[in-house]
Amino acid sequence: KQEVTQIPAALSVPEGENLVLNCSFTDSAIYNLQWFRQDPGKGLTSLLLIQSSQREQTSGRLNASLDKSSGRSTLYIAASQPGDSATYLCAVSAGETSGSRLTFGEGTQLTVNP
Amino acid sequence: GAVVSQHPSWVICKSGTSVKIECRSLDFQATTMFWYRQFPKQSLMLMATSNEGSKATYEQGVEKDKFLINHASLTLSTLTVTSAHPEDSSFYICSARRGWNLLYEQYFGPGTRLTVT
Repeated sequence: KQEVTQIPAALSVPEGENLVLNCSFTDSAIYNLQWFRQDPGKGLTSLLLIQSSQREQTSGRLNASLDKSSGRSTLYIAASQPGDSATYLCAVSAGETSGSRLTFGEGTQLTVNP
Repeated sequence: GAVVSQHPSWVICKSGTSVKIECRSLDFQATTMFWYRQFPKQSLMLMATSNEGSKATYEQGVEKDKFLINHASLTLSTLTVTSAHPEDSSFYICSARRGWNLLYEQYFGPGTRLTVT
């Protein structure tokens, strides 16, 4: 059974700081890995999708890396801003050929202080 | 592109009644839709996977007779919570995958908050 773990559970940083969120998964047989952002009481916003054959993806101040063999991914946020405050979820896609499924981590709650 | 909507965004119902939640893919055809639930301070848990025109596949521990899923078209899936109880109060989120390719990402709806009184 796939298990996804995110560390730390919560993080508070001053504005402008660079930060790294960690995600690990137990079964390396994945199709892809996604990072999402969730604001309180809201749905999910997809940030980055990394296919299993890729090593990293970048979007603006965000960079996500994937090391499938070791079951790890990191989300790097550069020059953090108060608007980045949210819960960040990591999810891996895996499963049978008849249908894949996403398994989510518990999330990292990020607070960026002005 | 790839927008998924849910209706209603929130609903309050009395214990024992049924409530239906709709999930629509607005600008693409979704061969597969997924339903998740999220309790406060917890992550998303997959409830079921539905492929258009066939019966949904439920995750272990999810009562299929209580959570009825219908995926009648390529743009609409519905989740009906039957005989709702206060413990069913949760945030329900759907997602849709564009095609059969397992590499395609899932696009998520904004969620529906259900409160059972």
